[in-house]
Amino acid sequence: AQTVTQSQPEMSVQEAETVTLSCTYDTSESDYYLFWYKQPPSRQMILVIRQEAYKQQNATENRFSVNFQKAAKSFSLKISDSQLGDAAMYFCAYHTGANSKLTFGKGITLSVRP
Amino acid sequence: SQTIHQWPATLVQPVGSPLSLECTVEGTSNPNLYWYRQAAGRGLQLLFYSVGIGQISSEVPQNLSASRPQDRQFILSSKKLLLSDSGFYLCAWRHYDTEAFFGQGTRLTVV
Repeated sequence: AQTVTQSQPEMSVQEAETVTLSCTYDTSESDYYLFWYKQPPSRQMILVIRQEAYKQQNATENRFSVNFQKAAKSFSLKISDSQLGDAAMYFCAYHTGANSKLTFGKGITLSVRP
Repeated sequence: SQTIHQWPATLVQPVGSPLSLECTVEGTSNPNLYWYRQAAGRGLQLLFYSVGIGQISSEVPQNLSASRPQDRQFILSSKKLLLSDSGFYLCAWRHYDTEAFFGQGTRLTVV
């Protein structure tokens, strides 16, 4: 079964500091796609970053980067220079392409202290 | 460009009444479609997904059903709502190797 685990329900970071959100997943597939989504209070789901499992290079999008460890099945999100607007719920998700399910973790609530 | 429409945005329904939430996608064809439910401050629970017209996979036995009468239309239904059906419902679509794109969501309150 596809599972995604986000073991930290809440985290807090000081504005301008760096924070890392953890995610692990379980799959027997060798090819799959990983994502981090942000859900602000508006509840709109916003894609933060994506990573293809066949790519060895970690994805980066401005202040957001991932640490993808395929052997460990770990996919953490690093947010640098945290801003107040980064406060939201963050979800890790993945699918194995084709007609597979899109599975989400339980999410983590990130607060940013001014 | 592709867009996804989900309506209504807010719904208040009495217990025992029927439900129909609709989701349509524009600008693409043969998408994978998903219905999720989210309790306040909680994660996304996958309810149904569809890989083609008339093809529905159910993830959680419950009081809800889904249908896909057209390629880009996904409907979530209930014959009789329960209090426990209250929540935030999200529709999403994706293709083979893409991320999922989400609708704005429907906040359902069963009273």
